[in-house]
Amino acid sequence: DVKVTQSSRYLVKRTGEKVFLECVQDMDHENMFWYRQDPGLGLRLIYFSYDVKMKEKGDIPEGYSVSREKKERFSLILESASTNQTSMYLCASSSRGVGQETQYFGPGTRLLVL
Amino acid sequence: AQKVTQAQTEISVVEKEDVTLDCVYETRDTTYYLFWYKQPPSGELVFLIRRNSFDEQNEISGRYSWNFQKSTSSFNFTITASQVVDSAVYFCALSDDILTGGGNKLTFGTGTQLKVEL
Repeated sequence: DVKVTQSSRYLVKRTGEKVFLECVQDMDHENMFWYRQDPGLGLRLIYFSYDVKMKEKGDIPEGYSVSREKKERFSLILESASTNQTSMYLCASSSRGVGQETQYFGPGTRLLVL
Repeated sequence: AQKVTQAQTEISVVEKEDVTLDCVYETRDTTYYLFWYKQPPSGELVFLIRRNSFDEQNEISGRYSWNFQKSTSSFNFTITASQVVDSAVYFCALSDDILTGGGNKLTFGTGTQLKVEL
């Protein structure tokens, strides 16, 4: 079974803090993704990575950065957290092969920025 | 541009009732994939099914069934004899964009909250 884990289920941070959200997958997937989920908006793609050290912006990258130093790990960074970044953050991974497009998700991190 | 519409924000049923969750999509591509995911209260999105655009055959898996109709751009999900454990948010998603380096981008609907009561 595909296993995607996220470092925290719940986080509470102060405005202006630097926040790291970590994601690890154990299926040797090439692609990894970060989404945020907000009521009434569904899931929106923040960033994705298709290889180590490679990253691409998604639909809402503003205020975020990412890091992928190892294939199994993909980090989302909030350089200076703001209250409008209070949300549920979901990490996903997928293989790159044809017919392997299914994305598998982690349990999510609920971030509250005060 | 691709779009997924789940018009039903919330559905409440009594256990053992059948329930259908609607999904309508828009895409200009002829090759695409459609997905359903379940998000229970714990938060994790659980993959349920993937269907490619060339396969319009309906699928049944236990109490779950999916009806894919290209003519109406719909991919509806039916739960037969619903149970309390089916209570969750269900997301429909479309994949038609090829990402840099390979892999597909998912466009999600806004989700349908299903509540199954005793």
